Amino acid sequence: QVQLVESGGGLVKPGGSLRLSCAASGFIFSDHYMTWIRQAPGKGLEWVSFISYSGSAIYYEDSVMGRFTISRDNAKNSVYLQMDSLRAEDTAVYYCAREKRRGNFFDYWGQGTLVTVSS
Amino acid sequence: EIVLTQSPATLSLSPGERATLSCRASQSVANFLAWYQQKPGQAPRLLIYDASNRATGIPARFSGSGSGTDFTLTINSLEPEDFAVYYCQQRSNWPPKYTFGQGTKLEIK
Repeated sequence: QVQLVESGGGLVKPGGSLRLSCAASGFIFSDHYMTWIRQAPGKGLEWVSFISYSGSAIYYEDSVMGRFTISRDNAKNSVYLQMDSLRAEDTAVYYCAREKRRGNFFDYWGQGTLVTVSS
Repeated sequence: EIVLTQSPATLSLSPGERATLSCRASQSVANFLAWYQQKPGQAPRLLIYDASNRATGIPARFSGSGSGTDFTLTINSLEPEDFAVYYCQQRSNWPPKYTFGQGTKLEIK
């Protein structure tokens, strides 16, 4: 069965860095676009970043551009989010999500990992 | 950027009643709209894709309709487990940019 398992969240000071990982299993990883989506405490869902099948196309939400870097390793069935220059407003649960092949929606989500940016 | 506006923000109903949730797009998204359900402490779950197609394992009491800019999620005969927050979502063609509505909280009356 399809599984997405995030890790790497935690408490970090403003200006610090964190690297999130998402391990995928149960499907052909390289056949799917992957994304990171976040949810601040008590708030709605916000798309953060997108990576194409091979990693040749990458896009970011404006507020994280230049600070966050998405990557993937298809040999390890994993997608990553390197987060630098973190701000208090980056505090959120971060989900990795699979985009349905030839769809434009997310058919599977991980359980999420909490990132807290605070001094 | 396409903005999705959901209404109402909160909907108070009783089990057995019908829920009607709305999602309006600031410009046409054709039928490329999805709905998700999220319960406290859980990840969102896909309910409906391409405006009207139920995802695998989703009960028939959930249905979606609409195209262009106006979409509706209908839940017939509410079950206790249906009380949750519901989000709509769309993706621009290319470059891909995803937006979500702000959510509708369906609460027990």
